[in-house]
Amino acid sequence: GQSLEQPSEVTAVEGAIVQINCTYQTSGFYGLSWYQQHDGGAPTFLSYNALDGLEETGRFSSFLSRSDSYGYLLLQELQMKDSASYFCAVRLSGGYQKVTFGTGTKLQVIP
Amino acid sequence: GAVVSQHPSRVICKSGTSVKIECRSLDFQATTMFWYRQFPKQSLMLMATSNEGSKATYEQGVEKDKFLINHASLTLSTLTVTSAHPEDSSFYICSARTSGGPNEQFFGPGTRLTVL
Repeated sequence: GQSLEQPSEVTAVEGAIVQINCTYQTSGFYGLSWYQQHDGGAPTFLSYNALDGLEETGRFSSFLSRSDSYGYLLLQELQMKDSASYFCAVRLSGGYQKVTFGTGTKLQVIP
Repeated sequence: GAVVSQHPSRVICKSGTSVKIECRSLDFQATTMFWYRQFPKQSLMLMATSNEGSKATYEQGVEKDKFLINHASLTLSTLTVTSAHPEDSSFYICSARTSGGPNEQFFGPGTRLTVL
């Protein structure tokens, strides 16, 4: 099976930088994605790494190292609205390309 | 981006009744849709993969006779929770996959089911 582990909670100060880690045990996946979910809402896509290295999308960056089975999401210039849950997810190889989500990290941004 | 809708957004029902949830891709065709369940403060758990024109594929531990999935067309999949019980109360989210590109899975807004 697959497993993706994340810290359960992270607290950071407005304007700061925070890194959310994701370690995984899975085989055969196309890439690592990151999603944001506010309470009561649906997940929204943030970033995707098909290859090793860093992908930057505005204030958000994501990193993948397949050799280390590790990835992270970096959020810069934190804003209060960034308080949400963040999930890493892998898109599995195979016909349906199912997406399996990590355990999730609840980020609280404080003034 | 592509838009996926779900209906209803919230439903409260009595124990023993059945509830149908619709998932629609509004501006694209989706041969494959996915159904997830999310309990409070937990991650999304994939329940089943819905395929247009064929039977759904269920994840291990998910009862196919309790969670009936019908992918009637390229834009509509339905999930019916049969004989619902309080433990089925959860947030049910569908997603639809377009073809190509990294961000090819779009999520519906979710349906909050409460079984009394």
